[in-house]
Amino acid sequence: DVKVTQSSRYLVKRTGEKVFLECVQDMDHENMFWYRQDPGLGLRLIYFSYDVKMKEKGDIPEGYSVSREKKERFSLILESASTNQTSMYLCASRTGGQAHYEQYFGPGTRLTVT
Amino acid sequence: AQSVTQPDIHITVSEGASLELRCNYSYGATPYLFWYVQSPGQGLQLLLKYFSGDTLVQGIKGFEAEFKRSQSSFNLRKPSVHWSDAAEYFCAVGADTGRRALTFGSGTRLQVQP
Repeated sequence: DVKVTQSSRYLVKRTGEKVFLECVQDMDHENMFWYRQDPGLGLRLIYFSYDVKMKEKGDIPEGYSVSREKKERFSLILESASTNQTSMYLCASRTGGQAHYEQYFGPGTRLTVT
Repeated sequence: AQSVTQPDIHITVSEGASLELRCNYSYGATPYLFWYVQSPGQGLQLLLKYFSGDTLVQGIKGFEAEFKRSQSSFNLRKPSVHWSDAAEYFCAVGADTGRRALTFGSGTRLQVQP
């Protein structure tokens, strides 16, 4: 059974803190994605990676960075958390180079920045 | 750039009634189209997808969707809704040119009345 896991389901951080969100997949997928989900806005792509150490900006990369040192792990970093980054964060992975393959999602991390 | 519009933010149907959720996309060539479902507190699960061939696609849980190129639509249907179908539904579009990541709509929340 395919699996994408995220390090925390709920996280509360203070403004200005550095925040790490971890995502691990066990399917040997090349592609991994970080989305942010907000009510009325759907899912918006923050960053994605198509190979180890490779990354591309999505639609809303400002205030975020990513790291992919190993194929199975993709980390999202908030360098200095702000209240407008309070949101649900979803990680996904996908095999292959073609966009019609299924993306598998993790359960999400609900981040609150106070 | 590709985009997706889900015009209905919230829909309420009675259990046993039929359902149609609307999705319109914008993309220059033939897109890949997806419907995902998110149950409360869960990640996203793929219901069905279209990438070629028959324009009427069958998915899991009794759902189907029809790709209509002339209307740039990919509406999701179910003939008889069950209480367990209450969830949020997302339409997404992808392509093998340019950015190979999905673009999601803003979602439609389905409520099922007994």
